[in-house]
Amino acid sequence: GENVEQHPSTLSVQEGDSAVIKCTYSDSASNYFPWYKQELGKRPQLIIDIRSNVGEKKDQRIAVTLNKTAKHFSLHITETQPEDSAVYFCAAIISNFGNEKLTFGTGTRLTIIP
Amino acid sequence: DAGVIQSPRHEVTEMGQEVTLRCKPISGHNSLFWYRQTMMRGLELLIYFNNNVPIDDSGMPEDRFSAKMPNASFSTLKIQPSEPRDSAVYFCASRYRIQETQYFGPGTRLLVL
Repeated sequence: GENVEQHPSTLSVQEGDSAVIKCTYSDSASNYFPWYKQELGKRPQLIIDIRSNVGEKKDQRIAVTLNKTAKHFSLHITETQPEDSAVYFCAAIISNFGNEKLTFGTGTRLTIIP
Repeated sequence: DAGVIQSPRHEVTEMGQEVTLRCKPISGHNSLFWYRQTMMRGLELLIYFNNNVPIDDSGMPEDRFSAKMPNASFSTLKIQPSEPRDSAVYFCASRYRIQETQYFGPGTRLLVL
């Protein structure tokens, strides 16, 4: 089955700086890669996603890049703010009929230092 | 839309007792997922349903765990008998089948003493 590795496990950045979280996946058939943000005591919430036919996607201060050849994808947060502090999870899925399980990374605890 | 609804939000019980967690998916969503989250093991998929049918229960830890989805708007996860190592946050998520985005419920925080 799919295996997703996520690095780093913890990340501290100064407010205003950029943060980058990286994930690798094992199954080249994976074709959908969402990122979830989980604040303390709350549910995971989708913040951005990317499909395998796209190399990069942006949404305001958040961007995701995908390198299918290397089988890795990254989350980029620019101009970080205190409210960006949370645990971030990457995930991968082979989206076809009969196999719809998301495989999650182990999470990155991001702390924004004011 | 009210989003995915879970109940109870918090449950404290004693070892050996039966625990039933409930989930109402987003209306119109065809897939429902049960996850367990702990510090040690992270976010684990326990079981998921498509159109009320269990598709993959390989993540269910043991026979003490069972899940049902009697109709499109309701699912239960039951633990009988409960053990302290079952203490975790249990999330339910739902998804419209032709899209991949999963929407999580607020979770049930379970503590087994």
